Amino acid sequence: AQKVTQAQTEISVVEKEDVTLDCVYETRDTTYYLFWYKQPPSGELVFLIRRNSFDEQNEISGRYSWNFQKSTSSFNFTITASQVVDSAVYFCALSGTIQGAQKLVFGQGTRLTINP
Amino acid sequence: DTGVSQDPRHKITKRGQNVTFRCDPISEHNRLYWYRQTLGQGPEFLTYFQNEAQLEKSRLLSDRFSAERPKGSFSTLEIQRTEQGDSAMYLCASRVIGDRGRSNGYTFGSGTRLTVV
Repeated sequence: AQKVTQAQTEISVVEKEDVTLDCVYETRDTTYYLFWYKQPPSGELVFLIRRNSFDEQNEISGRYSWNFQKSTSSFNFTITASQVVDSAVYFCALSGTIQGAQKLVFGQGTRLTINP
Repeated sequence: DTGVSQDPRHKITKRGQNVTFRCDPISEHNRLYWYRQTLGQGPEFLTYFQNEAQLEKSRLLSDRFSAERPKGSFSTLEIQRTEQGDSAMYLCASRVIGDRGRSNGYTFGSGTRLTVV
């Protein structure tokens, strides 16, 4: 079965601090995709990144960066110099290619609060 | 194309009533997914369609739930005899199969928040 674990339920930091959100996944598929979504208080899921299992190159997008390590089945997300607008619930998700019809399996989410 | 639309945004209903939600996917997307999200949890898969065919249903989808996608366009999710435990956000997503690019692939709607009183 596919599973995503976000062990951090809530994180609270002061603005301008760096913060890392952890994500660990389980799958038997050899090809799969990993995602991060942001869910602000308004409720919609905002896509942040998608990464396929063959591409272990880390990615940086502005203040956001992602560290994919296949050896530890982790796909961690770091926000550098956090801002109040980064406050939201963040979800890590997994999509297989054999099991589960390519549906997204989400973690429980991490609620991130950035205090001014 | 303005993305995935869901209607209504909010629904309050009395226990025992039937409710129906609608999802309009992006027009060229052949796959459509329904998810349910309860407070403090991540979205959970309910069912998905490829064109008009419903290909998979989660065990979460009891026999009080039914989903359709006539003609492979919009989809409806009906809950009969609602219970308080059905209170949740119901999210719809669509995508094109075979998407191997670096794009999102899955586009989510804003959801329908159901409250059963």
